[in-house]
Amino acid sequence: AQSVTQPDIHITVSEGASLELRCNYSYGATPYLFWYVQSPGQGLQLLLKYFSGDTLVQGIKGFEAEFKRSQSSFNLRKPSVHWSDAAEYFCAVGAPMETSGSRLTFGEGTQLTVNP
Amino acid sequence: ETGVTQTPRHLVMGMTNKKSLKCEQHLGHNAMYWYKQSAKKPLELMFVYNFKEQTENNSVPSRFSPECPNSSHLFLHLHTLQPEDSALYLCASSRLGGGLYEQYFGPGTRLTVT
Repeated sequence: AQSVTQPDIHITVSEGASLELRCNYSYGATPYLFWYVQSPGQGLQLLLKYFSGDTLVQGIKGFEAEFKRSQSSFNLRKPSVHWSDAAEYFCAVGAPMETSGSRLTFGEGTQLTVNP
Repeated sequence: ETGVTQTPRHLVMGMTNKKSLKCEQHLGHNAMYWYKQSAKKPLELMFVYNFKEQTENNSVPSRFSPECPNSSHLFLHLHTLQPEDSALYLCASSRLGGGLYEQYFGPGTRLTVT
């Protein structure tokens, strides 16, 4: 069975500082990996995804993530955080199911606070 | 602008009420999903629909009854809910095919059961 661990429940950074959110996954085959962001009272917005190929993936809003198979990790990074990045971030691992759409397993999320 | 809309955005209902949540996707997808998001817990997949056919029910209590009349619309009918059912209910959609496609989420319905 697939699983996702986000070790940090809450992270606080200063505006302009760099950010790294950790994600570790467990999956028996080549994983499909995602990062989503959720602002208060909103649904989840896809930031980026990894299916195959280049292990460094660029996403929206200046985010990137690096897939490291040897460490079973898919950490999210941003060089300079903006106050509007304050939100909850979810890592997910996906398994294709030809007759059932796609099954995503989500981590518990990391709440990001940005100090001015 | 996710292309997935949900109504209502907020709902307060008593334990004896019957209500329905609605989801509509404008992305041309063929798979739709219901998730429950409770505080301090990971997202829980409730139901999966594939071309209007339910393909997954993750041991959801029968007081939750999904309906998918076509690939663009998904409903969640609620009756005799419990206070622990209070949560954010998220709808999502995705393409279908030989691989895996990302899911697009609606804004959710915040449900409070009194």
